Amino acid sequence: GQNIDQPTEMTATEGAIVQINCTYQTSGFNGLFWYQQHAGEAPTFLSYNVLDGLEEKGRFSSFLSRSKGYSYLLLKELQMKDSASYLCAPMDSNYQLIWGAGTKLIIKP
Amino acid sequence: GAVVSQHPSRVICKSGTSVKIECRSLDFQATTMFWYRQFPKKSLMLMATSNEGSKATYEQGVEKDKFLINHASLTLSTLTVTSAHPEDSSFYICSARDSGGLDSDTQYFGPGTRLTVL
Repeated sequence: GQNIDQPTEMTATEGAIVQINCTYQTSGFNGLFWYQQHAGEAPTFLSYNVLDGLEEKGRFSSFLSRSKGYSYLLLKELQMKDSASYLCAPMDSNYQLIWGAGTKLIIKP
Repeated sequence: GAVVSQHPSRVICKSGTSVKIECRSLDFQATTMFWYRQFPKKSLMLMATSNEGSKATYEQGVEKDKFLINHASLTLSTLTVTSAHPEDSSFYICSARDSGGLDSDTQYFGPGTRLTVL
């Protein structure tokens, strides 16, 4: 079957760094997406990894290990506006995104 | 960047009526669009995959006669919730895949439509 595993909730301090882990099992694999979703809004695209390694994009970085079925999203210099849910979504062999429940990130001053 | 719009953003209707939601890709062509439904505090649920010029592919458990999808052009897909009931109240989100973009696998999400059925 297909499965996504992320922590349900994480708390971090403004200005700090946080790493959100994601493990997955899919039928085939065509890359993995990270999305940010603020409450009541649609998810917004953050990153896409298809090759192993780290992709850096400003304060956000995303890492992928295909052999381990593992990815993480790294957020640096946390800001209050980063409080949101972060969705890990691998793409299966049919090019469909497999969604998990996401990780709710709470930023405290 | 690629922009996807949805209209309306919010709709309130009476039970038994039908509601149409539009999803448009504003600056790119999308041969494939997706319709999702989000339940409170849960992940997005894929309802159907909409392909331009052909019938939509529905996920298991989604009634195709209740959720009518039409993808008549490369920039527009519509979802019609027929004979809506209160249990259909939800946040409906569409996404579109840029057919001609370098990242052709990336889905761009619309802002969502909040449907409330009284």
